[in-house]
Amino acid sequence: QQQVKQSPQSLIVQKGGISIINCAYENTAFDYFPWYQQFPGKGPALLIAIRPDVSEKKEGRFTISFNKSAKQFSLHIMDSQPGDSATYFCAARGSGNTGKLIFGQGTTLQVKP
Amino acid sequence: GAGVSQSPSNKVTEKGKDVELRCDPISGHTALYWYRQSLGQGLEFLIYFQGNSAPDKSGLPSDRFSAERTGGSVSTLTIQRTQQEDSAVYLCASSLPGENYGYTFGSGTRLTVV
Repeated sequence: QQQVKQSPQSLIVQKGGISIINCAYENTAFDYFPWYQQFPGKGPALLIAIRPDVSEKKEGRFTISFNKSAKQFSLHIMDSQPGDSATYFCAARGSGNTGKLIFGQGTTLQVKP
Repeated sequence: GAGVSQSPSNKVTEKGKDVELRCDPISGHTALYWYRQSLGQGLEFLIYFQGNSAPDKSGLPSDRFSAERTGGSVSTLTIQRTQQEDSAVYLCASSLPGENYGYTFGSGTRLTVV
């Protein structure tokens, strides 16, 4: 019940295309859903986050879509660029005082020029 | 400092030896987390410190793993009697208290047990 399942494991997209990464969770107590971007040799960096009372959040080319009833959320990268090539992790956090995040397994995105 | 600092960046150790990994969080960040990232895997939670509260150790994989946080700042993750399966990147993150703040991760320590 503490798992976050992420798919696909890897993704190849042409420059200018849309990259879509999906995550699913079971624990309805999760109340914060961030996405992290990780480049090789670096730690993950917060990209965008959403709360379950909102169905969509957009920041530049990055959009999170959230479906509370299906317990799924996804990251859409519009107009994908080669510089977006990285590993992306979704995560979820339980409500209350604990800040502990449960991460998905990660998606390696390659954007071809 | 400006970011989360981890040292060493790389560590090669012989099986059976003890290792200590260090994390310097961002000044003022009261929450500190350790995660482990194995090759091609996601981030596995190890331990979480929040202020003066008892740490959440629920993710430590065995009693060979321990961590402490001195003075609410620097943290050390210790692995005793290292095994080859301990080889991974160990990531530290810190955050401000409250629900609206994301983690800031360090660049990690790559541990290789030979």
